Amino acid sequence: GAVVSQHPSRVICKSGTSVKIECRSLDFQATTMFWYRQFPKQSLMLMATSNEGSKATYEQGVEKDKFLINHASLTLSTLTVTSAHPEDSSFYICSARGRLAGGPETQYFGPGTRLLVL
Amino acid sequence: AQTVTQSQPEMSVQEAETVTLSCTYDTSESNYYLFWYKQPPSRQMILVIRQEAYKQQNATENRFSVNFQKAAKSFSLKISDSQLGDTAMYFCAFMRDSNYQLIWGAGTKLIIKP
Repeated sequence: GAVVSQHPSRVICKSGTSVKIECRSLDFQATTMFWYRQFPKQSLMLMATSNEGSKATYEQGVEKDKFLINHASLTLSTLTVTSAHPEDSSFYICSARGRLAGGPETQYFGPGTRLLVL
Repeated sequence: AQTVTQSQPEMSVQEAETVTLSCTYDTSESNYYLFWYKQPPSRQMILVIRQEAYKQQNATENRFSVNFQKAAKSFSLKISDSQLGDTAMYFCAFMRDSNYQLIWGAGTKLIIKP
């Protein structure tokens, strides 16, 4: 079954509004979560690393004031796209770092959120 | 810096055949993890198989197995008795054990034909 949930799965918004995406780890605590953006037919692009209780670490070129990340608990991280514009339209995916069934550290992925800004 | 290379943009095989996807990587680290993830049309990223670099034995998960050649920095995925549901993008990824970030290959689109 799914170990990471992501909500909403799809959102359409008007230009200039803000959108919040939630990422939850199910049945395990994730001290670290990751946020990615994926363009069509491309690999995942890491946007930021979210650590519980501390500020997120953003990759070069990602505007931290535009993509606000909060990791308030060991099971929840949120990504808020502020003042969204059409160029922010994309597929956003989160992952949570965990060690399930005694295995090695692994990233488990949410189902993704498709954002369309009109 | 670590890099991951998948040299096959697309592959196509008949159902029930065996197919091997290639992956090479470059790193100076001694301890790391390697993964194959599958992304079907639903776009959900699904873990297929993982390998710890310190383990010499190749990982296997049912029809999926890897050929891990540490000296050659090669990590290929073999899918036996391929099924229609195996049709997906397959991504090879490298993880450092220092920050747990994944470095991704460009992906291989695998099509299983009936």
